[in-house]
Amino acid sequence: DAGVIQSPRHEVTEMGQEVTLRCKPISGHDYLFWYRQTMMRGLELLIYFNNNVPIDDSGMPEDRFSAKMPNASFSTLKIQPSEPRDSAVYFCASSSGTSGSTETQYFGPGTRLLVL
Amino acid sequence: SQQGEEDPQALSIQEGENATMNCSYKTSINNLQWYRQNSGRGLVHLILIRSNEREKHSGRLRVTLDTSKKSSSLLITASRAADTASYFCAFDRGSTLGRLYFGRGTQLTVWP
Repeated sequence: DAGVIQSPRHEVTEMGQEVTLRCKPISGHDYLFWYRQTMMRGLELLIYFNNNVPIDDSGMPEDRFSAKMPNASFSTLKIQPSEPRDSAVYFCASSSGTSGSTETQYFGPGTRLLVL
Repeated sequence: SQQGEEDPQALSIQEGENATMNCSYKTSINNLQWYRQNSGRGLVHLILIRSNEREKHSGRLRVTLDTSKKSSSLLITASRAADTASYFCAFDRGSTLGRLYFGRGTQLTVWP
């Protein structure tokens, strides 16, 4: 398996522009997570899905952020409009919940976002 | 805070020495996991220990779990320069299936 795939790997944009981050989870995994990592705040969970349904989006900073999972093999995180404080590394992760407990999460390589 | 807390925040040792990192949490858990992150990369799972286990080994890694003290430790024996990375603990609270709560991490530097 190729693991969790994220694109783009790097994104530089100007304030006010729309940014779309993409994620392909590991095939067969039923949980998908979006995290944001900064030096100041560490690793923050933004939102997670189970079987394509958002379970908890309480970590989404504000209405400028939205996430979708139209099918089991694809998810997007959109920021519109972007602001300099959104600059961070965004990780997507997936896991399988078939065991009835929270198991290993597999992280993608991340998207490094810089908003100028 | 619902997150785990690692201690120390940073650790610097020589190759060959052992490195010990600690994690504390505040709620009951189903399992506790340790992850590693190399600079510029995603987190990679190292080891999972369940709440009914007290110790687990994987290669040069040894993890202990003390549920009465709500703490865990990760020991890396005979460290190598390639072990330089950030190490995170994460726990499953059980009440929120699927979600892990990550700590802030310990930055380990191993000098050759």
